[in-house]
Amino acid sequence: DAKTTQPPSMDCAEGRAANLPCNHSTISGNEYVYWYRQIHSQGPQYIIHGLKNNETNEMASLIITEDRKSSTLILPHATLRDTAVYYCIVRVAFYNQGGKLIFGQGTELSVKP
Amino acid sequence: DSGVTQTPKHLITATGQRVTLRCSPRSGDLSVYWYQQSLDQGLQFLIQYYNGEERAKGNILERFSAQQFPDLHSELNLSSLELGDSALYFCASSVKGESPLHFGNGTRLTVT
Repeated sequence: DAKTTQPPSMDCAEGRAANLPCNHSTISGNEYVYWYRQIHSQGPQYIIHGLKNNETNEMASLIITEDRKSSTLILPHATLRDTAVYYCIVRVAFYNQGGKLIFGQGTELSVKP
Repeated sequence: DSGVTQTPKHLITATGQRVTLRCSPRSGDLSVYWYQQSLDQGLQFLIQYYNGEERAKGNILERFSAQQFPDLHSELNLSSLELGDSALYFCASSVKGESPLHFGNGTRLTVT
């Protein structure tokens, strides 16, 4: 599995966009980029994923560079409840059986009033 | 609510004992994954089952074992427990392909 590099911590002002970067320079062509977050000791929460195109859902947007070596998760209007550890993970997804996620250290995002 | 159910929520036991953690995946999900999260180790992948068969193994100790039953629920058995086994244990499930994993709320194990 390709490894990812994320800043250990970031701050963001409430109401502003939070842009969380991730480097995955050794990503393979069949690996997807996934973002999860974990609030306190709750179970990790799925946010979004993509292969090569930019993706958007009700929670966030995912921007993947053309060479796929890096990506950015965008939370458009951060709230205090978005304070969490955010994990960027690259994953091989097998057709039938899916595939495991390998978590790194993530980015601790603090949203401040 | 992710749809993944883990029981019990909390478990306190003594060193040397054996415990069983249970996971019910989301309806329709064939793959089940187990993770351990301790304070100093982060989220560690333990093992994956797909439709009853082991598919991937991570850093799972020999004292730990798991299985997935015909109704697709899974159990993680931890034996000869040590203080260092105290951790949060998460179960996740996924359907297939690129579909994401969905995690339960975990079982907090305390070994005294």
